[in-house]
Amino acid sequence: QKEVEQNSGPLSVPEGAIASLNCTYSDRGSQSFFWYRQYSGKSPELIMFIYSNGDKEDGRFTAQLNKASQYVSLLIRDSQPSDSATYLCAVKMDSGAGSYQLTFGKGTKLSVIP
Amino acid sequence: DGGITQSPKYLFRKEGQNVTLSCEQNLNHDAMYWYRQDPGQGLRLIYYSQIVNDFQKGDIAEGYSVSREKKESFPLTVTSAQKNPTAFYLCASRELAGIYNEQFFGPGTRLTVL
Repeated sequence: QKEVEQNSGPLSVPEGAIASLNCTYSDRGSQSFFWYRQYSGKSPELIMFIYSNGDKEDGRFTAQLNKASQYVSLLIRDSQPSDSATYLCAVKMDSGAGSYQLTFGKGTKLSVIP
Repeated sequence: DGGITQSPKYLFRKEGQNVTLSCEQNLNHDAMYWYRQDPGQGLRLIYYSQIVNDFQKGDIAEGYSVSREKKESFPLTVTSAQKNPTAFYLCASRELAGIYNEQFFGPGTRLTVL
């Protein structure tokens, strides 16, 4: 069974701090990794994607990927109350015949305290 | 505006009834997806389609059916065989070319069984 694991939280951080969200995956052949943000009652929206080992930065967000450890993380610097949401990790797993599926973790709920 | 629309936003079903959830996109995307989300859970794939008149079962297809008669439309029918259909249903689409292309999500339909 191909799985994506995340701590459910809630993860509480004070405003201005760094929030660190973690995700592990079971399929060693996974190629690309996505972080989605989902506000309560809303649909997910893409924050970042990463496919090479190392760090990828976009504004206050940094995605980190370590394929050897099957681990991907999202760092949010200078956390703001508006960052309070559930963050979903999604992994592209090969489902054969060129098809494409994303497997989602259950999400980590982040609360930024003013 | 380009995007994905889902209707209705809220849907109430009596036990034993079939209901159909609408999903339309004007992004000219080939691939479309249906997910189900339960409280505190990640997204689970119900069905997906990569081309008109063709679709594949996801992880939890039992009790659901789909059609893909037009590129823009991918309706989902929740049948009476689905024993616990109360959930948040999300439709997504993506361009087929390119392995890193993100999935865009519609606003979702919240289905409640009375």
